[in-house]
Amino acid sequence: DQQVKQNSPSLSVQEGRISILNCDYTNSMFDYFLWYKKYPAEGPTFLISISSIKDKNEDGRFTVFLNKSAKHLSLHIVPSQPGDSAVYFCAAIPPGGAQKLVFGQGTRLTINP
Amino acid sequence: DGGITQSPKYLFRKEGQNVTLSCEQNLNHDAMYWYRQDPGQGLRLIYYSQIVNDFQKGDIAEGYSVSREKKESFPLTVTSAQKNPTAFYLCASSRSRDSPLHFGNGTRLTVT
Repeated sequence: DQQVKQNSPSLSVQEGRISILNCDYTNSMFDYFLWYKKYPAEGPTFLISISSIKDKNEDGRFTVFLNKSAKHLSLHIVPSQPGDSAVYFCAAIPPGGAQKLVFGQGTRLTINP
Repeated sequence: DGGITQSPKYLFRKEGQNVTLSCEQNLNHDAMYWYRQDPGQGLRLIYYSQIVNDFQKGDIAEGYSVSREKKESFPLTVTSAQKNPTAFYLCASSRSRDSPLHFGNGTRLTVT
């Protein structure tokens, strides 16, 4: 049972345009959501997070939107840069805490020059 | 610089052998975790430890064992009982249970 789903395995975007990565979840009890970025042969690095009491969080070029009624979150990157090419994982923390962190399958983002 | 060190980066073993993956952190984090990543799948939790001398099974603990004798160290042993051990293994730590995870760079284990 995949509680966190990233339905697009890959996404290709032109440099300078907006990248939108999507994530759906099934458990309405999740109370914190995170995005991680992963380069090949490296560990994921934390990018941005959002609490379930908010609907938007912004950090520089990265904005995460949360739609609780649709159980959907998205990561917007604008403008997209070549260094943004990576695999992006969304993750959710249920009330039990970080040890129960649930990851999506990941979306490979490619930024084309 | 603080961080998490996983070693070795690549590891090759014959089927039937136990193998131990190292994870060390100097972030002074209490909690440490082991995840496994397979192609097309998200990270799956193997074991986690909230404090020294205590650890809990994650979603896919069968065939694995861990120890947490020191705050800085959380080694993972992949035993011969693990049916599909070939994978990319990631160690992580966090300051508290609701803090973002910091990951090491992983160990790619290949068992033939």
